[in-house]
Amino acid sequence: GDSVTQMEGPVTLSEEAFLTINCTYTATGYPSLFWYVQYPGEGLQLLLKATKADDKGSNKGFEATYRKETTSFHLEKGSVQVSDSAVYFCALMDSSYKLIFGSGTRLLVRP
Amino acid sequence: GAGVSQSPSNKVTEKGKDVELRCDPISGHTALYWYRQSLGQGLEFLIYFQGNSAPDKSGLPSDRFSAERTGGSVSTLTIQRTQQEDSAVYLCASSSRGAGWETQYFGPGTRLLVL
Repeated sequence: GDSVTQMEGPVTLSEEAFLTINCTYTATGYPSLFWYVQYPGEGLQLLLKATKADDKGSNKGFEATYRKETTSFHLEKGSVQVSDSAVYFCALMDSSYKLIFGSGTRLLVRP
Repeated sequence: GAGVSQSPSNKVTEKGKDVELRCDPISGHTALYWYRQSLGQGLEFLIYFQGNSAPDKSGLPSDRFSAERTGGSVSTLTIQRTQQEDSAVYLCASSSRGAGWETQYFGPGTRLLVL
């Protein structure tokens, strides 16, 4: 069945460092891909999405490109802030519109 | 308008008791989803409603779990004879054709603890 694999955390960075969180997927066809974020004590929020190959999703300085060839959707940000500390989930939407999530990656940004 | 709301926000129950969790989707959203977030299993899909019908119940872990949706709006997830492994955060999400079915809006969740 469809699945999502993302890098284990926690990821600890200093403020203004470059961030990459790796995400790969296994699916039949070309599903829509997502990054969701969960800030401490808050609910799950959509960060960005891409619905077809080579699309780039972006929001709040974060970017991810849908790579069909490598079945990847890596999350990047050029300069992280302390306020970016959160848990990040990569997900795909399967043919019946349900989301299949990766295990989540905790990001901790130090001042 | 308001976002997805869920109640109660926290629920503590004893093993063997039944619990009901409620979800109020965003007004006008015809699709509604239940997910569960637990330490051992991560975020997993439970059930999907389109209107009042549930075309995908494949994620319900056992026949102790059931859900219904009435009037195309509020949904209730019921867990009968709760077990300790049912302890988790239960999340509800909704979406609509107008917003693009891909975008699911999540509620704050109900944190369930089974003692």
